[in-house]
Amino acid sequence: AQSVTQLGSHVSVSEGALVLLRCNYSSSVPPYLFWYVQYPNQGLQLLLKYTTGATLVKGINGFEAEFKKSETSFHLTKPSAHMSDAAEYFCAVSLTGSARQLTFGSGTQLTVLP
Amino acid sequence: KAGVTQTPRYLIKTRGQQVTLSCSPISGHRSVSWYQQTPGQGLQFLFEYFSETQRNKGNFPGRFSGRQFSNSRSEMNVSTLELGDSALYLCASSLRTESPQAFFGQGTRLTVV
Repeated sequence: AQSVTQLGSHVSVSEGALVLLRCNYSSSVPPYLFWYVQYPNQGLQLLLKYTTGATLVKGINGFEAEFKKSETSFHLTKPSAHMSDAAEYFCAVSLTGSARQLTFGSGTQLTVLP
Repeated sequence: KAGVTQTPRYLIKTRGQQVTLSCSPISGHRSVSWYQQTPGQGLQFLFEYFSETQRNKGNFPGRFSGRQFSNSRSEMNVSTLELGDSALYLCASSLRTESPQAFFGQGTRLTVV
């Protein structure tokens, strides 16, 4: 069985500051990892995914994440926060490589302060 | 290319009633998954359909059911509604079962009173 832990249900950063959202996973087999963003009253939008290959993954809107097997982590970062980044972020894991049956973390609400 | 369409967007039902939610995947996508999102339980996988067959099911009671039609459109049904069924129900479509990317609809907000 797999699980995902997102540390910090709420994170606040100043505009222009580094964004760091933490995600740790538990999996009995090599996992496939995803970060999604959700804006109010909207569905989920894929930011980036790690399936195989390069462990540093670049996504949309300037976000990136690094898969660290030794630390079982997949933290999401962005060098400079923008007001439009305020949203809820979900880390998810899949054992199959596909995104059709995902196990999600509990989410992190990101607030960007002016 | 149109995205994933879920209808209706908002729904209010009374306890004990049943409800049917609809999801039209992106054209050409054959895999549809459903998720329930609540403040208390977060995002939970309900079930997945591919080629009109249920491939996987999450840990939900039998009151939750679904189906997929030959055009890949999917419906989910919840019978004997309970207050705890109030949630945002999200549908995601994928090109095929092994696709590493799923596209989500905007969801249907169900309120049970």
